[in-house]
Amino acid sequence: DAKTTQPPSMDCAEGRAANLPCNHSTISGNEYVYWYRQIHSQGPQYIIHGLKNNETNEMASLIITEDRKSSTLILPHATLRDTAVYYCIVSLGSLGNQGGKLIFGQGTELSVKP
Amino acid sequence: EAGVTQFPSHSVIEKGQTVTLRCDPISGHDNLYWYRRVMGKEIKFLLHFVKESKQDESGMPNNRFLAERTGGTYSTLKVQPAELEDSGVYFCASSRDRWDTLHFGNGTRLTVT
Repeated sequence: DAKTTQPPSMDCAEGRAANLPCNHSTISGNEYVYWYRQIHSQGPQYIIHGLKNNETNEMASLIITEDRKSSTLILPHATLRDTAVYYCIVSLGSLGNQGGKLIFGQGTELSVKP
Repeated sequence: EAGVTQFPSHSVIEKGQTVTLRCDPISGHDNLYWYRRVMGKEIKFLLHFVKESKQDESGMPNNRFLAERTGGTYSTLKVQPAELEDSGVYFCASSRDRWDTLHFGNGTRLTVT
């Protein structure tokens, strides 16, 4: 079973920031938080990941709470092309020998509206 | 670089028939994974190859599914005989190292009638 909880759906206005929450209250100390998204008819696409510190890349920012029990993915200026299902996944990543064995939940269906 | 390529993009077969799905990973990626999403369910891990060796096949649903990766390049996933509940989208992913982020293909949509 997935170790994360996400709202099933969210709306966002085009050009505004999209803030997608994720709860992972049972995360262990050496597990990373990964975000992937799936645009309709495509395969999942990696967005960002982090362990403790906040992370930013060209696609998004990841804010992880100090207790690491929740996180927020931020798309700073959402566009219509960001409409997708967003998956928050916890995984041992580079610290585990099961890197790549991701457990997907239901994700959040983000609809960006004009 | 070319991405992960899957063939065919769609396949419609009758119950009891055999289907073979193919995945070409990104060149140089030793790790290859198969995932699938069946109707209404989450995306589930099936198995993981490191080069030509099966590292983890704990997600394979039953012995009707056979995955191979001869030569450590492309991989095939054969379903024989196909059942109605096998309908869904089969994704392949690859990574250079097992802790790298995964690069997914666009999947093969399998419909068993």
